[in-house]
Amino acid sequence: KAGVTQTPRYLIKTRGQQVTLSCSPISGHRSVSWYQQTPGQGLQFLFEYFSETQRNKGNFPGRFSGRQFSNSRSEMNVSTLELGDSALYLCASRDKNIQYFGAGTRLSVL
Amino acid sequence: AQTVTQSQPEMSVQEAETVTLSCTYDTSESDYYLFWYKQPPSRQMILVIRQEAYKQQNATENRFSVNFQKAAKSFSLKISDSQLGDAAMYFCAYRSMKTSYDKVIFGPGTSLSVIP
Repeated sequence: KAGVTQTPRYLIKTRGQQVTLSCSPISGHRSVSWYQQTPGQGLQFLFEYFSETQRNKGNFPGRFSGRQFSNSRSEMNVSTLELGDSALYLCASRDKNIQYFGAGTRLSVL
Repeated sequence: AQTVTQSQPEMSVQEAETVTLSCTYDTSESDYYLFWYKQPPSRQMILVIRQEAYKQQNATENRFSVNFQKAAKSFSLKISDSQLGDAAMYFCAYRSMKTSYDKVIFGPGTSLSVIP
C-alpha cells in the first residue's frame, strides 16, 4: 500500500496570502489528523477528520481550517498568513490506533 | 489535560552501545496508549513502538524496548546495539482510549546522535 502522501513538499508564501495543503491517507484509512511542527512549540494537534466530519480541534485560530472528502483525502487551509505560521505541517492517517505520518509540507511565510 | 515531558533534549550514544531515552506523562485517565515515534532528518515520522496502558508486559520490537511504569507515569525507550540509522529525533506520545478521537499529545522530543 502507498503511504500517506502530502503535497506540496515545500511552499513559500508572503504574509496575508492563503494556502491550501493536501493529504492523501493510506488506502482504507478514514481518519486524518493534522499537526503543526515548529522548533519552539513542537508538535501541536490542529484537527482530526473522520468520514468527512471534523471530530476534534486543537487550539488554533479560525484562520486554520480543513475538510475531508468522500475518498478520505483531506485539505487544510490557512488564510491571512502570518510569519508565525511558518512550520512543517504533518498529516497522519490512522488504523487500529496507530497513526501513520506523511513526509510533511514545509511552509515558509515571508 | 494530559502532558508529555521528555527531559533530555539531546543524547548521544556510541555505535553498538545501548541508550535509554526518558519520558514522563501526566494523566488522570487509566486507559491510554503510549508511543515512541522517530523522526530522522528526512522528517518522515515513523512509529517505533507502542504500549497499551492495560498491559503490564513491556513492549519490545527487535532492538527497541520500553520500560513502562504506570504508577510512576514513566515510559522510557531503550535502544540496544545502536546503529547509525538510529540517529533521529525521538518523540514520546500519548493518546487516550477514552474516545475514538484521534488527538495525540507529543513530548518535545529528544535528539539522538550516534557516534561511529
